[in-house]
Amino acid sequence: EVQLVESGGGLVQPGGSLRLSCAASGFIFSSYSMNWVRQAPGKGLEWVSYISSSSSPIYYADSVKGRFTISRDNAKNSLYLQMNSLRDEDTAVYYCARAGGPYWGQGTLVTVSS
Amino acid sequence: QPVLTQSSSASASLGSSVKLTCTLSSGHSSYIIAWHQQQPGKAPRYLMKLQGGGGYNKGSGVPDRFSGSSSGADRYLTISNLQSEDEADYYCETWDSNTWVFGGGTKLTVL
Repeated sequence: EVQLVESGGGLVQPGGSLRLSCAASGFIFSSYSMNWVRQAPGKGLEWVSYISSSSSPIYYADSVKGRFTISRDNAKNSLYLQMNSLRDEDTAVYYCARAGGPYWGQGTLVTVSS
Repeated sequence: QPVLTQSSSASASLGSSVKLTCTLSSGHSSYIIAWHQQQPGKAPRYLMKLQGGGGYNKGSGVPDRFSGSSSGADRYLTISNLQSEDEADYYCETWDSNTWVFGGGTKLTVL
C-alpha cells in the first residue's frame, strides 16, 4: 500500500522556521518527482515546490522563493521542506504529493502566529 | 504560465449527472490536466489525468461513474449517478516547464 506521511507541522511565530518531512512507502520513491502543495484555511490548493527524482531540477512558487528549501533523501525515502522567515500567510495545511499523481499525503498543519 | 478557470460552485440532484468544467488559458489549450477530489475535512484524492484529445486515465479505485472529456481548451469531469459522498471540492491541475497550477476549485453540492 502506498503511503505518504507528513510530519513537522505546528505553531511558529512570524519570522520563525520549521522543517516538514514526508515519509514515503509502497513505491520506488527514488524514481519519482515530488511536490509540496499547501491549502490555507478555507482556500484552494496552491503549489509550493517541486523536486525531481535526482534533486535537480528544483522549482518554487514565487510566494516562497528565497524562504523555503525543498530536498529529499532517497536512501531514507523521505522528502523535506525547510521553511524560513515564515509569515502569517504561510499558515496552511501542507501536503506532499507525487508529481503527476496519483498519491497525496494526509497533510500537516502549519500555523504562523504570534 | 497556464491559468485554469473553474466555476466556484455547482449542484445536482442525487442520482443525476453533473459535468464540471476546467478551462485552460489562451495558448495552453493542448495541455494535459489532472482532476482531484477533496471531500470535507480530508486530503485531496487524485481522480484522473485527462488529455486534450479526451483520453483519460483514472486512479486506482475511482468509480466508473467518474469520466473525463475535452473540447478545445475545456476539460470536463462528468459524474453520473451522483451519490452523497460525491459532495466535495473538485480541483483541476496542470503543469508547465517549471511550475504547477491549480484551478480555484468547484464546490459540488448534491441535493
